[in-house]
Amino acid sequence: DAGVIQSPRHEVTEMGQEVTLRCKPISGHDYLFWYRQTMMRGLELLIYFNNNVPIDDSGMPEDRFSAKMPNASFSTLKIQPSEPRDSAVYFCASSLAPAETYEQYFGPGTRLTVT
Amino acid sequence: AQKVTQAQTEISVVEKEDVTLDCVYETRDTTYYLFWYKQPPSGELVFLIRRNSFDEQNEISGRYSWNFQKSTSSFNFTITASQVVDSAVYFCALSAYSGNTPLVFGKGTRLSVIA
Repeated sequence: DAGVIQSPRHEVTEMGQEVTLRCKPISGHDYLFWYRQTMMRGLELLIYFNNNVPIDDSGMPEDRFSAKMPNASFSTLKIQPSEPRDSAVYFCASSLAPAETYEQYFGPGTRLTVT
Repeated sequence: AQKVTQAQTEISVVEKEDVTLDCVYETRDTTYYLFWYKQPPSGELVFLIRRNSFDEQNEISGRYSWNFQKSTSSFNFTITASQVVDSAVYFCALSAYSGNTPLVFGKGTRLSVIA
């Protein structure tokens, strides 16, 4: 299995631009998580989906952030407009029940720099 | 609310020394999962171990061992005979036992092993 795939791996953009991060979960996994890693706040959950439906988006910082999962094999995290404080590494992870073998598989991350 | 505390921000040891990384957690759940992840300089998150809250047996895997003590809400990680390749940031994390729920991460401990 290819694992969780994220693209792009690196993104540099100017303040005010729209940024779209992409994630392909492991085939057959029915949970997908978006996390953000910053020096100040560490690793924190932004949103997660179950069977393509958002379950908890309380970690999404503000309306500039939106996430979608149009099908079981693809999710996007969009920031519009981007700001320098959005600079971070964004990780996507997927998992599959049952709980006894619970593990979240992380993608390699997208390093976003907003100038 | 769930919380994970890794009080050691940075640790530096000389190669072949043993080192213990501390993790203390808070949760109101009676059953839960605990995890350790490694983040090497390349940036990916590498899964090391998952532990169920009802299994307090210590675990050893090669040079790695984990000490879970429910009475003190701690899940400490020891590396025996450390090597330069162990240099990384190590994260402790907690999740509900219901499965496929978000991970709550500690802030991480940066371990530097000096040759």
